[in-house]
Amino acid sequence: AQTVTQSQPEMSVQEAETVTLSCTYDTSENNYYLFWYKQPPSRQMILVIRQEAYKQQNATENRFSVNFQKAAKSFSLKISDSQLGDTAMYFCAFMRRSGGYQKVTFGTGTKLQVIP
Amino acid sequence: GAGVSQTPSNKVTEKGKYVELRCDPISGHTALYWYRQSLGQGPEFLIYFQGTGAADDSGLPNDRFFAVRPEGSVSTLKIQRTERGDSAVYLCASSPLGQGSGANVLTFGAGSRLTVL
Repeated sequence: AQTVTQSQPEMSVQEAETVTLSCTYDTSENNYYLFWYKQPPSRQMILVIRQEAYKQQNATENRFSVNFQKAAKSFSLKISDSQLGDTAMYFCAFMRRSGGYQKVTFGTGTKLQVIP
Repeated sequence: GAGVSQTPSNKVTEKGKYVELRCDPISGHTALYWYRQSLGQGPEFLIYFQGTGAADDSGLPNDRFFAVRPEGSVSTLKIQRTERGDSAVYLCASSPLGQGSGANVLTFGAGSRLTVL
């Protein structure tokens, strides 16, 4: 079974600064995807960024980037130039792909507070 | 519709009652997921549909929980004899299958908050 671990229950960052959220996972699979989702107080889960395991290049989406270390099974999220709207819960997620079946497992989340 | 729609948004019921939670996925999305999210926790997998069939129901906590998707679009999560421990937000998500750029990305609804008194 896959497990996803987020060891930082809460973090805070000053507006305009950079913050990194940690995620590790455990799997014996070789073909999988990793995601970071954001959940603001409205509780709508929003995709932040996606990484395909077979790609060595780290994914980036504007101010969001990841540091994907496949051998270490680590997938951290870096938020640059933090904005007040980044305040939310952030969940790391693992998607196993096997014969078209895709099961997604989430971590317990990191609550990020951006301080003005 | 443009997004995943879940109804009701909030449901308050009494212990022992039966509830149904509905999910209307994005049109054409073959994969549909139900998750349960307790306060301060991450989403916990319940069940996954590919089309009409439940490909994986290993996350359903017990036989009081059941979900259907009879025509491969709308899904209903059914909870019998509700207990206070069932109180949570129930999230639905859908995804296309395949190799396109949108494949494998889950789009979530806003969830149904269930409170069992």
